[in-house]
Amino acid sequence: DAGVTQSPTHLIKTRGQHVTLRCSPISGHKSVSWYQQVLGQGPQFIFQYYEKEERGRGNFPDRFSARQFPNYSSELNVNALLLGDSALYLCASTLGVQAKNIQYFGAGTRLSVL
Amino acid sequence: QKEVEQDPGPLSVPEGAIVSLNCTYSNSAFQYFMWYRQYSRKGPELLMYTYSSGNKEDGRFTAQVDKSSKYISLFIRDSQPSDSATYLCAIENQGGKLIFGQGTELSVKP
Repeated sequence: DAGVTQSPTHLIKTRGQHVTLRCSPISGHKSVSWYQQVLGQGPQFIFQYYEKEERGRGNFPDRFSARQFPNYSSELNVNALLLGDSALYLCASTLGVQAKNIQYFGAGTRLSVL
Repeated sequence: QKEVEQDPGPLSVPEGAIVSLNCTYSNSAFQYFMWYRQYSRKGPELLMYTYSSGNKEDGRFTAQVDKSSKYISLFIRDSQPSDSATYLCAIENQGGKLIFGQGTELSVKP
């Protein structure tokens, strides 16, 4: 079975541009979460979606938005990119939103903002 | 105060050593505790998952949770060079959000 897949693998953008990152969850998983991992730090929670509805949002500005599609795949959008947005963006999928559901991570999209 | 604190290391040990990795957390309501391993430029991979207090063993890995001290540990026995990675402790809140520690970079030297 395929794991969590993310695209693209790497991305280089300039300040002020916008970016869209994509995630396909494990088959059968209905919840997707997004995390930002800055170099040398642990991942920070950005969003959680379940059945196409936002179920949680971390402490990130409104420049960050996301959505989940009927097939449970998800997109993360970031507008007006800043140098500080350079990070590894991770997607995790799980069966549901309750605690005790294991979250499985994709390999991430490495975003560099110049 | 951060919700989860983890010493970032780096930690360097010889092959065969016992490795001890630790985290502390602030919210006594947390019930679900995890250890993830992350190789360079890869996503985190779940190693151990523990509910509430106690020990859990899986091969060379043992996870311990002490809720009275708000302290979680991961022990690696007979460490191998292939164990060289960053180890992340994580705690899951009731809403399913993971709160990670900073990660400890481990290097096992042959």
